[in-house]
Amino acid sequence: EVQLVESGGGLVQPGGSLRLSCAASGFTFSRDWMSWVRQAPGKGLEWVANIKKDGSEKYYVDSVKGRFTISRDNAKNSLFLQMNSLRDEDTAVYYCAREIGYFDYWGQGTLVTVSS
Amino acid sequence: QSVLTQPPSASGTPGQRVTISCSGSSSNIGSDTVNWYQQLPGTAPKLLIYSNNQRPSGVPDRFSGSKSGTSASLAISGLQSEDEADYYCAAWDDSLNGWVFGGGTKLTVL
Repeated sequence: EVQLVESGGGLVQPGGSLRLSCAASGFTFSRDWMSWVRQAPGKGLEWVANIKKDGSEKYYVDSVKGRFTISRDNAKNSLFLQMNSLRDEDTAVYYCAREIGYFDYWGQGTLVTVSS
Repeated sequence: QSVLTQPPSASGTPGQRVTISCSGSSSNIGSDTVNWYQQLPGTAPKLLIYSNNQRPSGVPDRFSGSKSGTSASLAISGLQSEDEADYYCAAWDDSLNGWVFGGGTKLTVL
């Protein structure tokens, strides 16, 4: 059974940093692209970033470029999102998802709240 | 403002057929496949339709998708109360080099 479990969310002040993790199981993690997708409270889905199976390619939505970094550790079946210079508008539930031309599996999400 | 355009709401009575539209451009829907996601209240999104019109295992055949040019549609026939959810279309955008979503359509079963 495929499982994606996010962790690392919490309350952080504007300008602060947070590192999200996503533990994957039930599939060969190293064979698939992975993505982070977020959802602000009461709003729609927004793709944040993705990373190629070997980590050699990464893409970001414009609003997080230069502030967020996606990475992965295939030996530990883990996906990460390092978030720096956080802004109020980054407040959202962050989901990790397996990407195979579409997002077929999603985690349950972790809430990030940016507030003073 | 979402790159893909969906109506914010849709509704129908049990047993009816409803459709949800998704409009894009040549850099996304016009050049790539469309996927649809269902998000029940308080839960993570779930893949509903992939590659324009393919249903993952376990998705009832009441759900169907289509694409023409730079637009796509999701159709739900034999509407049921458990279909009440938010629905999102998505596609890869070649100009933005990223995934784009529609703003979501809230489906209400009356």
